Amino acid sequence: DAGITQSPRYKITETGRQVTLMCHQTWSHSYMFWYRQDLGHGLRLIYYSAAADITDKGEVPDGYVVSRSKTENFPLTLESATRSQTSVYFCASRTPWGSITEAFFGQGTRLTVV
Amino acid sequence: AQSVAQPEDQVNVAEGNPLTVKCTYSVSGNPYLFWYVQYPNRGLQFLLKYITGDNLVKGSYGFEAEFNKSQTSFHLKKPSALVSDSALYFCAVISNTGKLIFGQGTTLQVKP
Repeated sequence: DAGITQSPRYKITETGRQVTLMCHQTWSHSYMFWYRQDLGHGLRLIYYSAAADITDKGEVPDGYVVSRSKTENFPLTLESATRSQTSVYFCASRTPWGSITEAFFGQGTRLTVV
Repeated sequence: AQSVAQPEDQVNVAEGNPLTVKCTYSVSGNPYLFWYVQYPNRGLQFLLKYITGDNLVKGSYGFEAEFNKSQTSFHLKKPSALVSDSALYFCAVISNTGKLIFGQGTTLQVKP
């Protein structure tokens, strides 16, 4: 099916463990984004990518790592999870500058760090 | 710094009345502006966008937004609110580096 999918939808992990959130899009959009949503903070950008093998930091990158070896995938890794990283994580994608459209969002991953 | 501000955490309106959700922005160059809506436990849904052209943009579900360059604003409007419009609304802008930056969000509460 066409679209943008995140996995898992729900994840509980322990402090100190490494966890990877997956994001896959089928449109070949050049831009991809990771956000976290916390009450009172809206959507904060963690990392984004303009194309495969090009990534850049957003507003709150500390404690996170991303990679983008293929255009359609943009995994987000928490190297050593902390309780402050308990949040809802959203992945999004959009077209490049030449034809700006809206971004499309995944359904989100609810991560709980205990 | 490029940013988006939504000055109201919550907007309350009676069903049938007009609604406005405010958004101001700060970007270098031409602004590319968006409104999204989020229903409980759901992802974000696109409502409308301003890229260029008419200052009044029409979008989904009867929503519209007015772009005002001099006031650097992009307020979301609807002539007659529905209870089902109650949700969390986000304004967003694309920065000159391609980042999609969001405001803090405004909760819209429409009461019957």
